[in-house]
Amino acid sequence: KQEVTQIPAALSVPEGENLVLNCSFTDSAIYNLQWFRQDPGKGLTSLLLIQSSQREQTSGRLNASLDKSSGRSTLYIAASQPGDSATYLCAVSGNTPLVFGKGTRLSVIA
Amino acid sequence: GAVVSQHPSRVICKSGTSVKIECRSLDFQATTMFWYRQFPKQSLMLMATSNEGSKATYEQGVEKDKFLINHASLTLSTLTVTSAHPEDSSFYICSASSPTIAGGADEQFFGPGTRLTVL
Repeated sequence: KQEVTQIPAALSVPEGENLVLNCSFTDSAIYNLQWFRQDPGKGLTSLLLIQSSQREQTSGRLNASLDKSSGRSTLYIAASQPGDSATYLCAVSGNTPLVFGKGTRLSVIA
Repeated sequence: GAVVSQHPSRVICKSGTSVKIECRSLDFQATTMFWYRQFPKQSLMLMATSNEGSKATYEQGVEKDKFLINHASLTLSTLTVTSAHPEDSSFYICSASSPTIAGGADEQFFGPGTRLTVL
């Protein structure tokens, strides 16, 4: 059974700092991995999708990497801003439907 | 593109009533739709997967008679919570996918969610 773990559960950083969010998964037989952002009481916004054959994806200040063999992904956020404050969810798809981690709650302090 | 809407955004009802939540793909035809629920500070848990015109596939532990799912068209799926009780209070989120749009059938696009409160 696929399990997704995200560390840390919560993170507070000053504005402008670069940061890394971690995601690990137990079954490396995945089709893809997605990073989402969720604001309080809201739905999910897809940030980046990495296919199983890819190593990383970049969008603006965000960079996500995937190491399928070790079951790990990282989301790198450069020059963090208060508007980046949200919960970041990692999810993997494979033989089972999309499985989510519990998320990392990020607070960027101005 | 790939926008998914949900209605209502929030609903409050009395215990014992039934509540219907709609999920629509606005600019694409969704061959598959998914329903999730999320408890506070918890992750999303998949409840069921539905393909247009066929019965939904429910995840283990989800009561199909309590959570009725209808995927009547390629742009609409509904979730009906029958005889709702306070323990059904949760955030319900739908998603949709299609093999014809970016990311193919493996990418899901999520709705904004519906907050259900059962008194």
